[in-house]
Amino acid sequence: GIQVEQSPPDLILQEGANSTLRCNFSDSVNNLQWFHQNPWGQLINLFYIPSGTKQNGRLSATTVATERYSLLYISSSQTTDSGVYFCAVGLFYGGSQGNLIFGKGTKLSVKP
Amino acid sequence: NAGVTQTPKFQVLKTGQSMTLQCAQDMNHNSMYWYRQDPGMGLRLIYYSASEGTTDKGEVPNGYNVSRLNKREFSLRLESAAPSQTSVYFCASEWEAAYGYTFGSGTRLTVV
Repeated sequence: GIQVEQSPPDLILQEGANSTLRCNFSDSVNNLQWFHQNPWGQLINLFYIPSGTKQNGRLSATTVATERYSLLYISSSQTTDSGVYFCAVGLFYGGSQGNLIFGKGTKLSVKP
Repeated sequence: NAGVTQTPKFQVLKTGQSMTLQCAQDMNHNSMYWYRQDPGMGLRLIYYSASEGTTDKGEVPNGYNVSRLNKREFSLRLESAAPSQTSVYFCASEWEAAYGYTFGSGTRLTVV
């Protein structure tokens, strides 16, 4: 099956710093999503980005499908960005069958 | 509020007991999923339902059964709970892959 590796496993930042999280995957995919799990356990979808670049406020993501990696950029980090960031990938054929394989996550701690 | 609702939020079972975790979504999504999250393991797919009336095994289905009762509801049943099933269980739903997963708030299950 598809393997997903995320790096770094842990990251500690001062508020205001920028960071880049990486996701490598072992096979071709047509579904890639980034999630944030906050300290209370809630999982929020950040991006659906099987290829290309997207931006949402201080967060942006880039996926280079041909090289099998995706990057999540967090600029001007805030304490509310703390939590675990998961990359998840999958391969689906038509419609909405989007089974995802999750990486183990990057735990981000933003210090005030 | 629109979204995915999971019940209960917390549960303690004795080894050998059975229980059903409930999940309901009100977004008219076609696909629904059950994942478990263990420390350091990311999320692993237990079962999924691509559409009403269909269910399929995921990565870790042993010891579980599911029912897609209707388009809204997807339940997960533990017939004879074991300590290895101590975990946090997340239900998710999706209309199409491009719109991403929506997760419920999770059920924290402890089997003693």
